[in-house]
Amino acid sequence: DADVTQTPRNRITKTGKRIMLECSQTKGHDRMYWYRQDPGLGLRLIYYSFDVKDINKGEISDGYSVSRQAQAKFSLSLESAIPNQTALYFCATSDRDRGGNQPQHFGDGTRLSIL
Amino acid sequence: SQQGEEDPQALSIQEGENATMNCSYKTSINNLQWYRQNSGRGLVHLILIRSNEREKHSGRLRVTLDTSKKSSSLLITASRAADTASYFCATTTTGRRALTFGSGTRLQVQP
Repeated sequence: DADVTQTPRNRITKTGKRIMLECSQTKGHDRMYWYRQDPGLGLRLIYYSFDVKDINKGEISDGYSVSRQAQAKFSLSLESAIPNQTALYFCATSDRDRGGNQPQHFGDGTRLSIL
Repeated sequence: SQQGEEDPQALSIQEGENATMNCSYKTSINNLQWYRQNSGRGLVHLILIRSNEREKHSGRLRVTLDTSKKSSSLLITASRAADTASYFCATTTTGRRALTFGSGTRLQVQP
């Protein structure tokens, strides 16, 4: 979905480095999410934000932090990268809905390799 | 932990055949969504079915939901090579404000 842009698309780095993955959207959605995907597995939620002042941990938040700089921007940081954080990372957005009945729109992902 | 589990994990069919994928989940849901992921790309939303619905159609897609069995199925009719992708179910539940994804079914449609 070109309306959700992730940068970089690929990144190779070393253990212990700080890394930031960025996500921007032009859909005007309030809600943004970060997921990671490992081979053979579904997506697991890292953090999510329902508006600029709202940050929530997902099921695997340890070792990660996020910043919601604006409605359109949501960045994910790995403060000190470790090899088991090697994965495909996705950002997604959705419109507001109390029942969670809105589809999510995904970027094309960042492939992160930590050596 | 995974809320949804897809079955089968992998499916290979010939073009023109129908493909059926199943999803089971553990707790009561508000809705269930199906997504498609082409290799190296992000997920694309296909269809959403609410907990009070039993069946929904969208083009060649048919989704059913059986809340008593905590299961859903996705049927793709008259499959095409372009349907080759991984398919994921995802659920929302009361009290959990984000989607929980299953592990996916990899569909290969042979031309």
